[in-house]
Amino acid sequence: KAGVTQTPRYLIKTRGQQVTLSCSPISGHRSVSWYQQTPGQGLQFLFEYFSETQRNKGNFPGRFSGRQFSNSRSEMNVSTLELGDSALYLCASSQIPDRANYEQYFGPGTRLTVT
Amino acid sequence: DQQVKQNSPSLSVQEGRISILNCDYTNSMFDYFLWYKKYPAEGPTFLISISSIKDKNEDGRFTVFLNKSAKHLSLHIVPSQPGDSAVYFCAALVASGTYKYIFGTGTRLKVLA
Repeated sequence: KAGVTQTPRYLIKTRGQQVTLSCSPISGHRSVSWYQQTPGQGLQFLFEYFSETQRNKGNFPGRFSGRQFSNSRSEMNVSTLELGDSALYLCASSQIPDRANYEQYFGPGTRLTVT
Repeated sequence: DQQVKQNSPSLSVQEGRISILNCDYTNSMFDYFLWYKKYPAEGPTFLISISSIKDKNEDGRFTVFLNKSAKHLSLHIVPSQPGDSAVYFCAALVASGTYKYIFGTGTRLKVLA
């Protein structure tokens, strides 16, 4: 079974631009979560989607948004990029609550650099 | 408000010895805990988990201990190997409702050969 895939793997953008990141979950997983990882801050939760609905949202400004499609693939968008948005963006999928398996499976991440 | 804390940013251990990574939490509603390992340029990979109804879970060289009264969990790696060198994250979950995972800031483990 294929793992979680994220595209692109690396991205360089300029302040003020917008960016869209893509995530394809493991087949059969309907929950997709997004995290931002920066040095010293661990994994900061952005949002989670389940069956095309945003079920959870973290404490990020409205410039960060996402969506999920009927095939469970998800995208996140960051508008009006700031230097502080430079980070590794991770996507994770899971089977909850379809099955009581609480493991999240992570993709390799997208490294975003804002200059 | 950091509900899950890993107070040691780094840890160095000799190969063959025990590595103990700690994690504290504040929310008594958490009922499931997980440990992940992360290598550079890769996403975190699941290691081991424990339900709040247990106090210990073991999987090979990895054992997780949960002390609910102290709101503390720890990951023991015995014996430690150089390949265990990575960043370890603990995560907590309320396993109902919205299923939101809260991660700690991570501990970088270095196993010295």
